[in-house]
Amino acid sequence: EVQLLESGGGLVQPGGSLRLSCAASGFTFRSHAMSWVRQAPGKGLEWVSVISANADTRYYADSVRGRFTISRDNSKDTLDLQMHSLRAEDTALYYCAKRLSYSSNWSYLDYWGQGALVTVSS
Amino acid sequence: QSALTQPPSVSGSPGQSVTISCTGTSNDIGGYNSVSWYQQPPGTAPKLMIYDVSDRPSGVPDRFSGSKSGNTASLTISGLQAEDEANYYCCSYTRTNTLVFGGGTKVTVL
Repeated sequence: EVQLLESGGGLVQPGGSLRLSCAASGFTFRSHAMSWVRQAPGKGLEWVSVISANADTRYYADSVRGRFTISRDNSKDTLDLQMHSLRAEDTALYYCAKRLSYSSNWSYLDYWGQGALVTVSS
Repeated sequence: QSALTQPPSVSGSPGQSVTISCTGTSNDIGGYNSVSWYQQPPGTAPKLMIYDVSDRPSGVPDRFSGSKSGNTASLTISGLQAEDEANYYCCSYTRTNTLVFGGGTKVTVL
């Protein structure tokens, strides 16, 4: 059974930093691109970032580029999101999600974690 | 990258059909066939319902269908059921190698 378990969320002051992690199991992690998607309270989905299976390609949303860094450890089946210079508008539930197994297109996300809540407030 | 445009809500009676539109630009929906749809009941994680504009992942009922014309994609739910009540989001790959979601549509079963 595929499982994605996010951790590392919490309350942080504006300008602060936080690192989210996602522990994956139940599939061949090293073969799948992975994404982060966030959802502000009561709002819609916003894609944040993607990293290729071997970590040689990373893309970011304009809203986080230069402040967030996505990374992965294929030996530990973990995905990370390092967040710096956090703003109030970064407050959201952050989901990690895996690429649809039977498609080479990384934009299709077939399994999602339950999310890690990040609150940016003074 | 601006969000794709979806109607805030649609509704229908059990057994009826509803269609949700999703309008983008030539930089996203109109330029690629990488359109997907997600279902999200309140308090749960999103679930992939449609990919490649009109394909269904394993386990998704064939009541759900997708299509695209120009810069607009559509999701149709036929034979609406109470369990279909949820928020639905469209998503498209973009020319800048990013993803853009729609603002979401709440489907209400009357």
